[in-house]
Amino acid sequence: DAGVIQSPRHEVTEMGQEVTLRCKPISGHNSLFWYRQTMMRGLELLIYFNNNVPIDDSGMPEDRFSAKMPNASFSTLKIQPSEPRDSAVYFCASSFGTPPEAFFGQGTRLTVV
Amino acid sequence: AQTVTQSQPEMSVQEAETVTLSCTYDTSESNYYLFWYKQPPSRQMILVIRQEAYKQQNATENRFSVNFQKAAKSFSLKISDSQLGDTAMYFCAFVQGAQKLVFGQGTRLTINP
Repeated sequence: DAGVIQSPRHEVTEMGQEVTLRCKPISGHNSLFWYRQTMMRGLELLIYFNNNVPIDDSGMPEDRFSAKMPNASFSTLKIQPSEPRDSAVYFCASSFGTPPEAFFGQGTRLTVV
Repeated sequence: AQTVTQSQPEMSVQEAETVTLSCTYDTSESNYYLFWYKQPPSRQMILVIRQEAYKQQNATENRFSVNFQKAAKSFSLKISDSQLGDTAMYFCAFVQGAQKLVFGQGTRLTINP
């Protein structure tokens, strides 16, 4: 298996633009997580899905952030409009069953200028 | 809410030495899982070792072992015969059931030649 695949690896955008991050989980995994990593706040869970349904989105910073999982093999995290404080590394991870260990993608480094 | 605390922001040891990274957590649950993840400069999150709370035996993976003290809610990672490639950020993480992984703030470990 190719593992969790995220795209793009790097994204540089101007403040106010829309940004879409993409994730393909490992085939057969039924849980998907979006994390944000910054120096100040460490690894924060933004949202997680189980069987394509959002279970907990309490970590989503504000209405500018939205996430979707239209099917078991694809998820997106959208920021609209983007702000410089959104600059971070965004990770997608997936898991299945017990033990619920998460497998991470390579992350997307987002820079908003 | 579950919380995970890593009290050592940075550590540094000489190659071939043994190093122990500390982690404590807070939960009212009796059954859960604990993990250590490694994040090298490549930023890939790599699972190092896992521990199931109902198992009293400490987990071991080659040079990596844990000291799991359930009553004290402590989960330390010992790296024996440390190697230059062990240089990375190390994250302790907790999960209960099929719920989200909660991460500590991380410990930056440097192995010096």
